[in-house]
Amino acid sequence: NAGVTQTPKFQVLKTGQSMTLQCAQDMNHNSMYWYRQDPGMGLRLIYYSASEGTTDKGEVPNGYNVSRLNKREFSLRLESAAPSQTSVYFCASSVQAVGAGAFFGQGTRLTVV
Amino acid sequence: AQSVSQHNHHVILSEAASLELGCNYSYGGTVNLFWYVQYPGQHLQLLLKYFSGDPLVKGIKGFEAEFIKSKFSFNLRKPSVQWSDTAEYFCAVNLNRDDKIIFGKGTQLHILP
Repeated sequence: NAGVTQTPKFQVLKTGQSMTLQCAQDMNHNSMYWYRQDPGMGLRLIYYSASEGTTDKGEVPNGYNVSRLNKREFSLRLESAAPSQTSVYFCASSVQAVGAGAFFGQGTRLTVV
Repeated sequence: AQSVSQHNHHVILSEAASLELGCNYSYGGTVNLFWYVQYPGQHLQLLLKYFSGDPLVKGIKGFEAEFIKSKFSFNLRKPSVQWSDTAEYFCAVNLNRDDKIIFGKGTQLHILP
């Protein structure tokens, strides 16, 4: 039972390059999230998806796009990477129920040079 | 907008000391509250959660938290910490009518053996 799987685990990009971070969950959860974690800043919500076919902006959406491809998959795209997007990215999912809490993937460490 | 404040960014304790990490949130409506732990190099794991009922919530590894609605607080406690509790701890809040989960900036806990 894999839970939440993110790929890749590590990535180095040059400024201006694009890439997509992949996330898949096998727990039949409705809600999925993308966070970035930076030292001293905690986790900041980039985008989330309450259900298949819907996405909403979080606290720091600029420079990112997302796609909820189906119930299992929620991808995060950087169209033109910037050094400020160097971070650790976490995908999470949760049952759309009161107080359910979220399950997290292992994270993607992205460096933009 | 809802927000979560964690008062201590860095806490250093000796083994067997008692722990209390503060967490306050800004929203006045019905909320669900969580504490997550992130061990070095790992992803976030749910420690405990509150969504209704007894305001004193017990979680894994001997942790507990008390929801005090009048103070908008959800402080994490452990009577006697162990070296293995060294980790970063995050408080999070989710509005009962919303799917966003917002995190505090985290508290880095370092236990001296």
